[in-house]
Amino acid sequence: RKEVEQDPGPFNVPEGATVAFNCTYSNSASQSFFWYRQDCRKEPKLLMSVYSSGNEDGRFTAQLNRASQYISLLIRDSKLSDSATYLCVVNNGNTNAGKSTFGDGTTLTVKP
Amino acid sequence: GAGVSQSPSNKVTEKGKDVELRCDPISGHTALYWYRQRLGQGLEFLIYFQGNSAPDKSGLPSDRFSAERTGESVSTLTIQRTQQEDSAVYLCASSITSGRGRDTQYFGPGTRLTVL
Repeated sequence: RKEVEQDPGPFNVPEGATVAFNCTYSNSASQSFFWYRQDCRKEPKLLMSVYSSGNEDGRFTAQLNRASQYISLLIRDSKLSDSATYLCVVNNGNTNAGKSTFGDGTTLTVKP
Repeated sequence: GAGVSQSPSNKVTEKGKDVELRCDPISGHTALYWYRQRLGQGLEFLIYFQGNSAPDKSGLPSDRFSAERTGESVSTLTIQRTQQEDSAVYLCASSITSGRGRDTQYFGPGTRLTVL
């Protein structure tokens, strides 16, 4: 089993739709969680950190469920520019000297 | 401030040659990662450096791959006797491991390696 698992998609949605991605992780001692975005042929860039209480940044909402060991990303009112691959990242803190692990990503295509 | 830089941006080599890829992390970042990304695929972890600790080399695919880091600065990834399957984008990332913004990885633009 992979340490971090994501539904690869692709998710194809119309503009204005709401879409949600989930990511599960296997290490219960994981401490930091992030969502990254990667555009085609570009490097990944931080989209948002994920906090225990959940956090929102404009149209994007991230949630963490420690009991079930998953994090989620909700995108409301999808824009064409949201088309990208979304990567889930988990940092294992002291259990693995702080190493982060990436999921394989979920591909989103927003269509007119 | 300056971000993570990598050189060269593109490298074309012949099968069997050695290549060396360079990464300059953000100043003050104690953690440094190397990843490989083949076309259309996810990030493949290669190696992780954290301060003066022994590096985590668990992702290196074979003994043809090695990496070094001088203190908390520049890192080089060396691939010996390159094979066509080594063709990929090699990405470097750095992060801090304490304080505000900890564990957030900042990526360089990558080195696109093509082995003919």
